Amino acid sequence: AQTVTQSQPEMSVQEAETVTLSCTYDTSENNYYLFWYKQPPSRQMILVIRQEAYKQQNATENRFSVNFQKAAKSFSLKISDSQLGDTAMYFCAFMKNYGGSQGNLIFGKGTKLSVKP
Amino acid sequence: IAGITQAPTSQILAAGRRMTLRCTQDMRHNAMYWYRQDLGLGLRLIHYSNTAGTTGKGEVPDGYSVSRANTDDFPLTLASAVPSQTSVYFCASSRGLGDTQYFGPGTRLTVL
Repeated sequence: AQTVTQSQPEMSVQEAETVTLSCTYDTSENNYYLFWYKQPPSRQMILVIRQEAYKQQNATENRFSVNFQKAAKSFSLKISDSQLGDTAMYFCAFMKNYGGSQGNLIFGKGTKLSVKP
Repeated sequence: IAGITQAPTSQILAAGRRMTLRCTQDMRHNAMYWYRQDLGLGLRLIHYSNTAGTTGKGEVPDGYSVSRANTDDFPLTLASAVPSQTSVYFCASSRGLGDTQYFGPGTRLTVL
């Protein structure tokens, strides 16, 4: 069974600085996807970034980038130039990629990020 | 409508009552999902549907049922609510199984 671990329950960062959120996962699969979702106080789950395991290049989306280390089963999220609106819970998630899969996401327990002015 | 809507936004329910949470998407996605979010546990899959007319069980299906009569709607029913079903419920959809999932705004359910 796959598991996703986020070892930092809470983090804080000053506005305009950079922060990295950690995520590790356990799987015997070779083909899968990894995601970061953001959940602000509004409760909405918002996709931040997606990484295909077969791609060596790290995904980036504006100020958000990942460091994907497949051999180490590590998938950290870097937020550059942090903004107050980045304050949220961040969830790392794993999804298998093969025919017949439920297609469900396996979530970590989340990291609560606070951006301070 | 743009995306996924869920109703109600929140609900307080007496134990033993029947409740249906509604979910509608307008993206013509084939796959839909129901998750529950509990403090300290993250989100866990309850049921999913690959396409209209088919459903499947997720990680925590007991006490819940779903139906998928058409592409757009995926209601979740609690036949006889129990306090352990107090949670925030999220509906999600994706183009197909294995594609990126997009979430609705959630329903906060409290069972007393």
